[in-house]
Amino acid sequence: KQEVTQIPAALSVPEGENLVLNCSFTDSAIYNLQWFRQDPGKGLTSLLLIQSSQREQTSGRLNASLDKSSGRSTLYIAASQPGDSATYLCVGANNAGNMLTFGGGTRLMVKP
Amino acid sequence: EPEVTQTPSHQVTQMGQEVILRCVPISNHLYFYWYRQILGQKVEFLVSFYNNEISEKSEIFDDQFSVERPDGSNFTLKIRSTKLEDSAMYFCASSEVATLWGTWNEQFFGPGTRLTVL
Repeated sequence: KQEVTQIPAALSVPEGENLVLNCSFTDSAIYNLQWFRQDPGKGLTSLLLIQSSQREQTSGRLNASLDKSSGRSTLYIAASQPGDSATYLCVGANNAGNMLTFGGGTRLMVKP
Repeated sequence: EPEVTQTPSHQVTQMGQEVILRCVPISNHLYFYWYRQILGQKVEFLVSFYNNEISEKSEIFDDQFSVERPDGSNFTLKIRSTKLEDSAMYFCASSEVATLWGTWNEQFFGPGTRLTVL
């Protein structure tokens, strides 16, 4: 059974700082790994999806990497802004089916 | 841009009552899902649905839960007799197609329905 863990659970940084969010997963037969953003009381916004055959994906100031052998993914946010404040969720899709396994999230606060 | 929609945004019900949460998936999508998130906890998979039947379900999805695609656009989650612990945000998602390897494309999520059981 896939388990996804995210560290740290919460992070507070000053505006402009570059930061890394970490995710680990237990089943290396992961099909894809996705990073979502969740604002308080709101839905889930997909940020990046990395297929198992890929090593990384980039979108604007965001870069996500995937290392299946070590069971890790990182989300790199460059030049953070107060609008980046949200909870970031790491989500693994298993190879056998269509169930997504969510991590507990990293709650990010970017201070002006 | 097409999006998944959910109604209502907030539902309040009394314990023991039946509730139906509604979702309209993206129109050309074929696979539909329900997830829930209890306040302060992880998002959890409930069920996936394809070709008018359940594909997979978690241990959470017991006999109190059912899903249905009553027409060509709606996808519903019914909770027959709600309990206090059913209070959560419920997310619907949909995806387009399966790949040749029997795996699934990216899932797109709706904004959620917050269910409060009193």
